[in-house]
Amino acid sequence: DIQMTQSPSSLSASVGVRVTITCQASQDISNYLNWYQQTPGKAPKLLIYDASNLETGVPSRFSGSGSGTDFTFTISSLQPEDIATYYCQQYDNLLPITFGQGTRLEIK
Amino acid sequence: QVQLQESGPGLVKPSETLSLTCTVSRGSVSSGSYYWSWIRQPPGKGLEWIGYISYSGSTNYNPSLKSRVTISLDTSKNQFSLKLSSVTAADTAVYYCARSRWGYSMDVWGQGTTVTVSS
Repeated sequence: DIQMTQSPSSLSASVGVRVTITCQASQDISNYLNWYQQTPGKAPKLLIYDASNLETGVPSRFSGSGSGTDFTFTISSLQPEDIATYYCQQYDNLLPITFGQGTRLEIK
Repeated sequence: QVQLQESGPGLVKPSETLSLTCTVSRGSVSSGSYYWSWIRQPPGKGLEWIGYISYSGSTNYNPSLKSRVTISLDTSKNQFSLKLSSVTAADTAVYYCARSRWGYSMDVWGQGTTVTVSS
């Protein structure tokens, strides 16, 4: 299985600041990477697909980049409603689909 | 917008079979390009992909669960289902059904249903 390692595991930041989360794959996955947001008690929500494409209806302050083994998820200006846990997910041809362990984002 | 809703028992005894159904509304499980997935999340932990079934009925399962998992499609009821056999306490989790674009990007999720394995 392809292992996905997110960092940091948790993060505390102030409203308005830029936030960055990284995800590293254990082998080359091209751009086969998604990012999800999960608020407490809710199902995950797809934010970014194919590493850098913004899902329809998702605010433009969210973005993603990277290819190969190293990926970055960015919130350009943190808002209170962005408090959640964020997961990366790979879907290389070699199944199974796997997720990172999650990054818990809190407001400072 | 398509909606998904999980249903099934919230409590299952060890060694028995967990059975869940996902009902799809405002959309069709027979739609091309969409696959239908199950994902679970143990309490306080991360997400685990269980498997998916395509609109044509082909399946792919997580190898870690493959010997115990069956996902099926009922086009007449616009539903798909999960069966997980020989459950243990480690199978206690919130189970989500989701629509997947080509099996890989889960773009619509159900609200999730909690299943506890306990005698």
